[in-house]
Amino acid sequence: EVQLVESGGGLVKPGGSLTLSCEASGFAFSTSSMHWVRQAPGKGLEWVASVSSSGTGTQYGDSLKGRLTISRDNTKNSLFLQMSSLRVDDTAVYYCVRRRSDAFDIWGQGTMVIVSS
Amino acid sequence: DIQMTQSPSSLSASVGDRVTITCRASQSIGFYLNWYQQKPGKAPKLLIATTSSLHSGVPSRFSGSGSGTDFTLTISSLQPEDFATYFCQQSYSNPLTFGGGTKVEI
Repeated sequence: EVQLVESGGGLVKPGGSLTLSCEASGFAFSTSSMHWVRQAPGKGLEWVASVSSSGTGTQYGDSLKGRLTISRDNTKNSLFLQMSSLRVDDTAVYYCVRRRSDAFDIWGQGTMVIVSS
Repeated sequence: DIQMTQSPSSLSASVGDRVTITCRASQSIGFYLNWYQQKPGKAPKLLIATTSSLHSGVPSRFSGSGSGTDFTLTISSLQPEDFATYFCQQSYSNPLTFGGGTKVEI
């Protein structure tokens, strides 16, 4: 079964750090471009970051730039997102997503990050 | 950044209706436009890629058209399971951006 399963979300204080993980199965993870997309409660979708299949190329959205590191471990079919200096407006569901042929075709169920004092 | 504007932001329709949702890009994006469906509490699902390519398993009542800056998603005959929020997304250039969404309600 094709699947992406995120973990690592939770409650964190403003200024804190958190690392999200995503485990892939059922498809060729090591040749896939992987992304994180987030959705604040009741809001739309926002692209957060991407990493190339090899892990050498990374890109970040403006709202989190400088506070994020995306990485992957192809030996473990895993994607990671390290977040620091978190703010209240970073509160969102974070989705792990595969990009294929210019579209996001596989989505995880999401992991909730709540930034609150 | 390329801004994506969807209209309407919400609409009310009945089963069997033909529904059209519009997405406009702030600059030309060729055919690099995707559509997603999201139901409450669930992750989005890909419906249509690169303007008009129906994703695997998506019913043929969904179709997409357009080019450049103006795109449409059409549901030819609305079914009960189609009540959801629909998002467009451009894959022409980074940062990848989404429209604000269109909520289709009964």
